[in-house]
Amino acid sequence: GNSVTQMEGPVTLSEEAFLTINCTYTATGYPSLFWYVQYPGEGLQLLLKATKADDKGSNKGFEATYRKETTSFHLEKGSVQVSDSAVYFCALSTNAGKSTFGDGTTLTVKP
Amino acid sequence: EAGVVQSPRYKIIEKKQPVAFWCNPISGHNTLYWYLQNLGQGPELLIRYENEEAVDDSQLPKDRFSAERLKGVDSTLKIQPAELGDSAVYLCASSSPMGRLGSNEQFFGPGTRLTVL
Repeated sequence: GNSVTQMEGPVTLSEEAFLTINCTYTATGYPSLFWYVQYPGEGLQLLLKATKADDKGSNKGFEATYRKETTSFHLEKGSVQVSDSAVYFCALSTNAGKSTFGDGTTLTVKP
Repeated sequence: EAGVVQSPRYKIIEKKQPVAFWCNPISGHNTLYWYLQNLGQGPELLIRYENEEAVDDSQLPKDRFSAERLKGVDSTLKIQPAELGDSAVYLCASSSPMGRLGSNEQFFGPGTRLTVL
């Protein structure tokens, strides 16, 4: 079956540090890949997505590139802020509409 | 536009009791999902609807869980009887029919936190 593996957290960084959260996946075919974010007390919301190989998704300073050769979709941000503290979920969705989520990575950014 | 609405937000029941959760998706979204989220884990799909049809219910424990989406809009998820292990957050999400299947953003509701005592 399909699976998504995220680097385990929690991750604690100082403000303005560089962020990488690793995500690898297993799926047949060519799934779409997503990063969702859950801020404290809120529901999951889309951060960025990529729907085909080599696509780069970007939003709010975050980026992730769909790497089919390494089956990865790592999330990066050059300079994190305290307001980026949240839980980040990597997810895939197949062409049949079946979705699989990772277990989430908790990020805490300290001033 | 209004987001995905779920109710109740919190529910505490004793084991063996029934419980129901309600979801109203974003207007125009024909795909509706119910997920279960345990603490420290990602959402796990229970059932996916395309309009009124349940197109993927392979992960729904059908001995105690049931769901319906009459008229292809609102949906209800029911557990009867509830067990201690059902304590979790139940999420509803919806997505629009635009674009390639599987490529669309899912919009999530705030979830219902169920505690079974």
